[in-house]
Amino acid sequence: DVKVTQSSRYLVKRTGEKVFLECVQDMDHENMFWYRQDPGLGLRLIYFSYDVKMKEKGDIPEGYSVSREKKERFSLILESASTNQTSMYLCASNLGVNYGYTFGSGTRLTVV
Amino acid sequence: GQNIDQPTEMTATEGAIVQINCTYQTSGFNGLFWYQQHAGEAPTFLSYNVLDGLEEKGRFSSFLSRSKGYSYLLLKELQMKDSASYLCAVASGNTPLVFGKGTRLSVIA
Repeated sequence: DVKVTQSSRYLVKRTGEKVFLECVQDMDHENMFWYRQDPGLGLRLIYFSYDVKMKEKGDIPEGYSVSREKKERFSLILESASTNQTSMYLCASNLGVNYGYTFGSGTRLTVV
Repeated sequence: GQNIDQPTEMTATEGAIVQINCTYQTSGFNGLFWYQQHAGEAPTFLSYNVLDGLEEKGRFSSFLSRSKGYSYLLLKELQMKDSASYLCAVASGNTPLVFGKGTRLSVIA
């Protein structure tokens, strides 16, 4: 079974902190994605990566950055956390374009 | 850009049949996915339609009409555990999936 693992299920951080959300997949998938999910807004794409060292902005990249130094790991960074970044963060991966996603279990981040 | 619409909420009775609709507008359409998401959990894959017609998988079926930009997910013999959100997602071109906002289905006794 494809597995996508997110390092934390729940996280509470203070405003202004630098926050790292880690995501690791074990099936040699080329593509990895970071979404946030908020009530009434659905899943919104933050960043994605189609290859190691490659990254592309999604629909809402402001306030975030990413790192993909190895194929299996895709990290989301909140440079200076703000309360409006309180959300559920979902990492996903897939084999290639038009393949379905496998999602991690999500990280519920609260910024206080 | 892409636009995906699905109802926000639906309620159905245990044992009944429910149809969740999804309409989309996109260029370079490649296929349409349905995902199920229970509260507090990650979405899980249900179905993928590329060609027009009905794909059946147990109690769940998914239909696609590319010319109408329309899909539906059909759930038969509803069970309480089917209470969840159902997400429609469109694949087009070389871009990441675009998701609808999801339909929250409540199954009542």
